[in-house]
Amino acid sequence: GQQLNQSPQSMFIQEGEDVSMNCTSSSIFNTWLWYKQEPGEGPVLLIALYKAGELTSNGRLTAQFGITRKDSFLNISASIPSDVGIYFCAGPLDTGRRALTFGSGTRLQVQP
Amino acid sequence: DGGITQSPKYLFRKEGQNVTLSCEQNLNHDAMYWYRQDPGQGLRLIYYSQIVNDFQKGDIAEGYSVSREKKESFPLTVTSAQKNPTAFYLCASSIVRTDYGYTFGSGTRLTVV
Repeated sequence: GQQLNQSPQSMFIQEGEDVSMNCTSSSIFNTWLWYKQEPGEGPVLLIALYKAGELTSNGRLTAQFGITRKDSFLNISASIPSDVGIYFCAGPLDTGRRALTFGSGTRLQVQP
Repeated sequence: DGGITQSPKYLFRKEGQNVTLSCEQNLNHDAMYWYRQDPGQGLRLIYYSQIVNDFQKGDIAEGYSVSREKKESFPLTVTSAQKNPTAFYLCASSIVRTDYGYTFGSGTRLTVV
């Protein structure tokens, strides 16, 4: 079953607004990653987090690794139309399997 | 430029036929992965390979097969045993023992009619 729960499932905002989304799990993660997927393309890595409490920025994007290691947050400030896409959180489950598990995604639409 | 190429972009097949999706990378990455994406769902792991001539099943391997005869190539065969094969298929690669920063291909959309 799905190990990572993302919310909200979708967002429709006005250009210039700030956006927040999060990802939670019942399992502990040692790495959290955030990807963005544009229509008809593969996901692209935005931010990687490696330590509980870590706060990392990439331009207008800021992501945080939750203290409990069971959640992560992504914020986008001053949204622009090209922010449109699906945002996925991902992480390696601590099962010895060296492959990422992905959340179900947050679909973002930005009204110019 | 280095990258990962999936072909074709769109593929149509009749029900009951096997079909093979191509994935090639020139990034010198050791590990390669196949994910399936359905509308409104996240990416689900089908198979992955960390080294040539070795691969492991993911969460939804039934009805799929793979091979890893070359480091650069990781083709996925969707067999007639796959009950609902229509989906968007994504291939990715990464350097083993790094930060899981996958590089994804642009995907193949398979439609079975």
